[in-house]
Amino acid sequence: DSGVTQTPKHLITATGQRVTLRCSPRSGDLSVYWYQQSLDQGLQFLIQYYNGEERAKGNILERFSAQQFPDLHSELNLSSLELGDSALYFCASSVGPTSGGTSYNEQFFGPGTRLTVL
Amino acid sequence: AQTVTQSQPEMSVQEAETVTLSCTYDTSENNYYLFWYKQPPSRQMILVIRQEAYKQQNATENRFSVNFQKAAKSFSLKISDSQLGDTAMYFCAFMNNDMRFGAGTRLTVKP
Repeated sequence: DSGVTQTPKHLITATGQRVTLRCSPRSGDLSVYWYQQSLDQGLQFLIQYYNGEERAKGNILERFSAQQFPDLHSELNLSSLELGDSALYFCASSVGPTSGGTSYNEQFFGPGTRLTVL
Repeated sequence: AQTVTQSQPEMSVQEAETVTLSCTYDTSENNYYLFWYKQPPSRQMILVIRQEAYKQQNATENRFSVNFQKAAKSFSLKISDSQLGDTAMYFCAFMNNDMRFGAGTRLTVKP
C-alpha cells in the first residue's frame, strides 16, 4: 500500500458525460501528479500540482481539467467523454516537486481508477 | 521533447535465469533521473530501481541492476535469478521536469 488513495476504483459512463476522479496523497506529500494509461500502453503524464498550484502540464486535453485543494487532495475532471478516454487513470504523490532533474522526490502511485466509456 | 523507447514489447525467461530489458531515451538535458517501474497484473506501479544521471556508478537493488550509458542514452535493466513473481510489465521512465514513460516490455518468467 503506497498510502495514495484514489476513488472510485471503477467508473462506467457514457459518451458525452462528465466524471470526476479523486486522489488523496500520502500524508505529508505536497505534490500530486495525474497519469493516463490506455490499454497495454505506457503512462502518459497529464498534469502536476504542488501545494495547490499547477506546476507542469503534459498531454492533457482541453476537455480535462484538474485542481488541488487546500487539504491537498486533487480532482481530475473529464468532460465530453469519448470512447478513447477509456483508460486507467493514476494519481501519484511526492513530498516536493520535480525540479529540472536536479532534485528527486520519489513518486508513490495510487491503485488507479479504471474508466470505461461506453 | 524527451522520448523513451522500449524496443522489446515482450520477453520471456526461464526461472532462475538472467534477462536484460532495453531502454533508450532522447534528451538534451544533462541532469535527469531514470527509473524502471514494474506493473504486475494488479496494475499497481512499483518502483524497481532509480539512477541519477550525474552518477557514473550503475544502480543495484538486490537482483536488479542497470547498465547506464549516458553518452549512448541507454538504460537497460538486468534481472538476475528470475523468479515467477517477476512476471509483469516493466516500464522505463525518464524524469526531468516531468516523468515520461516508455511503452513497456511484458516479461514472462516460465517455470
